[in-house]
Amino acid sequence: SQTIHQWPATLVQPVGSPLSLECTVEGTSNPNLYWYRQAAGRGLQLLFYSVGIGQISSEVPQNLSASRPQDRQFILSSKKLLLSDSGFYLCAWNQENQGGTDTQYFGPGTRLTVL
Amino acid sequence: KQEVTQIPAALSVPEGENLVLNCSFTDSAIYNLQWFRQDPGKGLTSLLLIQSSQREQTSGRLNASLDKSSGRSTLYIAASQPGDSATYLCAVNTGFQKLVFGTGTRLLVSP
Repeated sequence: SQTIHQWPATLVQPVGSPLSLECTVEGTSNPNLYWYRQAAGRGLQLLFYSVGIGQISSEVPQNLSASRPQDRQFILSSKKLLLSDSGFYLCAWNQENQGGTDTQYFGPGTRLTVL
Repeated sequence: KQEVTQIPAALSVPEGENLVLNCSFTDSAIYNLQWFRQDPGKGLTSLLLIQSSQREQTSGRLNASLDKSSGRSTLYIAASQPGDSATYLCAVNTGFQKLVFGTGTRLLVSP
């Protein structure tokens, strides 16, 4: 069966510090991978998605970036965090298919607080 | 631009009641609609997925309907239990890996 991991589970970082969140998927190959952010009082917002190694699509302009160095690894990064980057970050995957309309499976999330 | 709205934002009911959660979306050009459950501080669990060609899906005490032409979906929970307490999110799939989420309905079922 497939599982998705995220770490760390929680993170407290000062403004201006760098960020690296990691997501890995087990039990599947060539998945689509997604990063979402859930800010307080707001719905989930798609930040990035990837259909393959090195292929990243950005949905929202911001000071975050994503990378996919391996088939089942997705990393969210920032060089300098802002207060507005605080939130709950969720990674998700689904199986590759035409149109990307398969159900998405979510990881446990990372709670980021920027002080 | 697709927008998804969920009403009510919060709902509190006694155990055993049947209840309906509502989701509306502005653009009927969707591939499917999903209902998710989110427990506090946790990730999302997929409950039901309705393809655009379907009218409803059922799983146990849950039934989700979709009226694409009017931009509406409902999630019906029968005989609610305290364990159903969570935030329920609906999301429409606009194709090409894009899910647009509503802000959710926070449900509390009291014993």
